[in-house]
Amino acid sequence: GAGVSQSPRYKVAKRGQDVALRCDPISGHVSLFWYQQALGQGPEFLTYFQNEAQLDKSGLPSDRFFAERPEGSVSTLKIQRTQQEDSAVYLCASSPRGTSTDTQYFGPGTRLTVL
Amino acid sequence: TQLLEQSPQFLSIQEGENLTVYCNSSSVFSSLQWYRQEPGEGPVLLVTVVTGGEVKKLKRLTFQFGDARKDSSLHITAAQPGDTGLYLCAGDSDSNYQLIWGAGTKLIIKP
Repeated sequence: GAGVSQSPRYKVAKRGQDVALRCDPISGHVSLFWYQQALGQGPEFLTYFQNEAQLDKSGLPSDRFFAERPEGSVSTLKIQRTQQEDSAVYLCASSPRGTSTDTQYFGPGTRLTVL
Repeated sequence: TQLLEQSPQFLSIQEGENLTVYCNSSSVFSSLQWYRQEPGEGPVLLVTVVTGGEVKKLKRLTFQFGDARKDSSLHITAAQPGDTGLYLCAGDSDSNYQLIWGAGTKLIIKP
């Protein structure tokens, strides 16, 4: 099926390492979201793209977090100098248009563990 | 600040029982969405409610949007182990793209 895919599914990093998380959205979807989800909690918004434009990065926890979507399709979330508090599941979602009533289609997430 | 509170946080019941979970706010939402998330997967949309007082049914699941559009409930009849998961509600925000998410209800149905 042509759903949202994320890679890697699991990532273990030593504190201080840089990591890059990839999201392949559904083809043709205009909007792409990144979320951080702690165990047993709801998703917390990180950032939002409309095509290649990053329209909102207000949820990024610090300047160690950086996201890009250079060609309006695949997106990468990069975390520099990882800290233990960065351990979480990182979810990517895409939607056809990006209005708040649009269905968001989620990938399976990347579980990041920082030791 | 718009917030969504979900209750209970955790519910464990036997197969065949009925249950209701809630999503409440002091703010008015134009629409609310319910998602189910299974372990190791992303959330999957179950339903969107947009009209105050609206009731939607999805097999054994009944969703209701409050008349004042500040709250919603999900009722499951004759729960089955396959209903196990994290149930999340999400409402539209002041922006035209961002959702406000509740913390979820973790539901376990024991066979």
